[in-house]
Amino acid sequence: DGGITQSPKYLFRKEGQNVTLSCEQNLNHDAMYWYRQDPGQGLRLIYYSQIVNDFQKGDIAEGYSVSREKKESFPLTVTSAQKNPTAFYLCASSMGRGYTGELFFGEGSRLTVL
Amino acid sequence: QQQVKQSPQSLIVQKGGISIINCAYENTAFDYFPWYQQFPGKGPALLIAIRPDVSEKKEGRFTISFNKSAKQFSLHIMDSQPGDSATYFCAASMGGAQKLVFGQGTRLTINP
Repeated sequence: DGGITQSPKYLFRKEGQNVTLSCEQNLNHDAMYWYRQDPGQGLRLIYYSQIVNDFQKGDIAEGYSVSREKKESFPLTVTSAQKNPTAFYLCASSMGRGYTGELFFGEGSRLTVL
Repeated sequence: QQQVKQSPQSLIVQKGGISIINCAYENTAFDYFPWYQQFPGKGPALLIAIRPDVSEKKEGRFTISFNKSAKQFSLHIMDSQPGDSATYFCAASMGGAQKLVFGQGTRLTINP
């Protein structure tokens, strides 16, 4: 079945540590996205990539980094510079540049900083 | 101007009733208005979407009503069922999915 796989589902991190969240898609979509979800704040865009080897900052990119070396993979690193990293992180994909239609989401990764 | 304001934040409806969630926007350049449904511990999934050239779109028990002059759109769930209990997000975009702006979300509970 086609879809988006995020791992791990739950992750605990000590303050000062970097952590990388995995996102893999087999939908053959060109565009991929990372969102952060906090209670009462909706979904906020962290980074997005419309093509391999290219990515753009979203609204809340500070303290995060990404790479897009393969079409199907878009990992997110939460660095120690992110002041409040505890959140639910969602990866999504869509058909590509300019496409205004459906976003397909993974099941999310919940990060807790201890 | 890029915000989408969603209300209410939470909503409790009896089984069989009508659930109504409202969203308002400022940017008249928005040209795509989707609603996403999210169950606990899962990612959101597209429920229904509308473009501003129509005032209403219906899919089964779910209807989007769109008021272009008021810059408002709403989701109506008819004959609400306990399985509809979820968080609902409205959104709006122009020029691509990377510009999708989400509302704050509404936690809907349908009591049996």
